[in-house]
Parts: sequence; C-alpha cells; structure tokens
Amino acid sequence: DIQLTQSPSFLSASVGDRVTITCRASQGISSYLAWYQQKPGKAPKVLIYAASTLQTGVPSRFSGSGSGTEFTLTISSLQPEDFATYYCQQLNSYPLTFGGGTKVEIK
Amino acid sequence: QVQLVQSGAEVEKPGASVKVSCKASGYTFTSSVINWVRQAPGQGLEWMGWIGGYKGDTNYAQKFQGRVTMTTDTSTSTAYLELTSLRSDDTAVYYCVRGAVYSGRINRFDYWGQGTQVTVSS
Repeated sequence: DIQLTQSPSFLSASVGDRVTITCRASQGISSYLAWYQQKPGKAPKVLIYAASTLQTGVPSRFSGSGSGTEFTLTISSLQPEDFATYYCQQLNSYPLTFGGGTKVEIK
Repeated sequence: QVQLVQSGAEVEKPGASVKVSCKASGYTFTSSVINWVRQAPGQGLEWMGWIGGYKGDTNYAQKFQGRVTMTTDTSTSTAYLELTSLRSDDTAVYYCVRGAVYSGRINRFDYWGQGTQVTVSS
C-alpha cells in the first residue's frame, strides 16, 4: 500500500498568513493526488485534483503543486473560513489512501 | 445539483451486520462509481472500496475483503454498503462518495454524502 505522510500534522496561523502543507508518498504516484478540506462534523470537500488542478468553485488562494513523491498545498492568504483539517489522497493505485491530516488552527 | 443522501444512524452489537444506503440524484447514476469511505472518531479517512454504477463491478480494499458487500439498485439510483461481523473498531462515520472518472480512472472524490454514524456497542 502507498503511505502518505503529511507535515505538519498541526499548524497555528493567523488570518492573512501564507500556509504550506506537504504530502510525501512512499512511492511515486505521478500526479494522481487530490487535496480535501474537512470542517468539524462535515464531509470533506475536494479542493485540488491531479496535483494542481483547482476544483470548480474553490477560491484561487488555494493551489497545489508537485509530482512523483512530494506535493504541496498552499493557501496564499489564510481566511477565517479556511481553519479546518486538510487531507491528501493518492489515486494512483489501489487501495486508495489518505494522508493523516493537517489541522490548521487560529493563532 | 448532484446529491448523495444517506440513511440514518445505526447502533449494532458486536458480531452483527449493518447496511447503509446512499441515494444519488442530479447525475446519471450509471455513468460513475460510488466509493465508501469511513472515519473513526477523531481519526482520518479510510477508503473501503467502490462499486460501478453501470455494471455493479466492485473493488474492495483488502482489509475489508470477506466482510464487506457493496451493491446498487439502478432503478432507484441507490448504492448500499453492508458490513458484517461488526467489531467495536468499526464504530465510525461512513460516507458514500462519487468518484469522478477521467480517461477511465477516478481522479477525485467530488461529491460526498452527509455521512452515517455507525456505532458498535454491546
């Protein structure tokens, strides 16, 4: 199985900050990576797919990059509604797997 | 608009089975796949498998092989997840999720159900 390691697992940031989350795969997954945002008590929501393609309707302050084994999710200017937990997911091979999550909290 | 509406919360005893439903609307059910993902309390996301809306073909995570059955009823655009031999560590929120297919493969999970809480307790 492909393991996805996210870092950090927790970060504290202020509104307006630039935030970067990293996801490392245990083996190459080309660009078959998606990012999700989850708020407490809610289902996850897709933000980015194919490593860097913005899902329709997602604000442009979210961006993704990377290929192979290392990927990043960047929020260019953190907004109050962005405080949530973020997960990466690989869709290269089965079983599909998720990273352990990064919780973004208000500083 | 695309919607996935799941059945209500379930409480089951260890060793029992549970069946969760997921009714799809707003798109052609047979043109996509439905995945099932679960989330234990305070934990991350775990993929369980998918079922094709057209042929009912399945792909289960090995971890659940032998205990999980995914089915569909195309007449009502409804997918079902059945999990047997329940244990306390099966306590989780179970989500049905549409897999967006591009060039013959799933490239993202684009629509999620609201989740169904399954509690396993004696």
